[in-house]
Amino acid sequence: GDSVTQMEGPVTLSEEAFLTINCTYTATGYPSLFWYVQYPGEGLQLLLKATKADDKGSNKGFEATYRKETTSFHLEKGSVQVSDSAVYFCALSKAAGNKLTFGGGTRVLVKP
Amino acid sequence: GAVVSQHPSWVICKSGTSVKIECRSLDFQATTMFWYRQFPKQSLMLMATSNEGSKATYEQGVEKDKFLINHASLTLSTLTVTSAHPEDSSFYICSASAGYDEAFFGQGTRLTVV
Repeated sequence: GDSVTQMEGPVTLSEEAFLTINCTYTATGYPSLFWYVQYPGEGLQLLLKATKADDKGSNKGFEATYRKETTSFHLEKGSVQVSDSAVYFCALSKAAGNKLTFGGGTRVLVKP
Repeated sequence: GAVVSQHPSWVICKSGTSVKIECRSLDFQATTMFWYRQFPKQSLMLMATSNEGSKATYEQGVEKDKFLINHASLTLSTLTVTSAHPEDSSFYICSASAGYDEAFFGQGTRLTVV
């Protein structure tokens, strides 16, 4: 079946540091790929998405590129802020509006 | 973006009682709603998929008689945890989709069974 693997956390960084969270997937066909962010005690918010190979999703300084050859969708941000502290989930979907398969989540803590 | 409201945000109930959680799409019609469960510091696991007016499709290992899902209208789905036990304590999150775009998530419900 489909699966998503992302690096385990927690990831602890200082403010203005560079953030990378690795995500790889296994799926048949051409899934859409997503990054969601979850702040403490809250639901999930869509951070960015990409629907086909070589697409780059970006939002709030975060970027991720859909790499079909390496089945990866790594999340990056050049300069993190304390407010970026959250849990980040990589996910895939096989069809628009369809169910999501999530990775295990990566907790990120940014210290001032 | 589209808004999905989940209620209540948190609930404490006694073991053996039932709890109902509501998920509403406020500004769009949700043809499909999804219910997820999240254990502490773990990922989200899909419990079931519900389409308006039809029976929910449960994932393998999810007890359909324990987790009753009703999707009676295009804006409301409910999850009822029947005869709750402490092991049912968890964070439950719904998401709603209009079928042509990504699904939107509610804020989640933290259930504690004592």
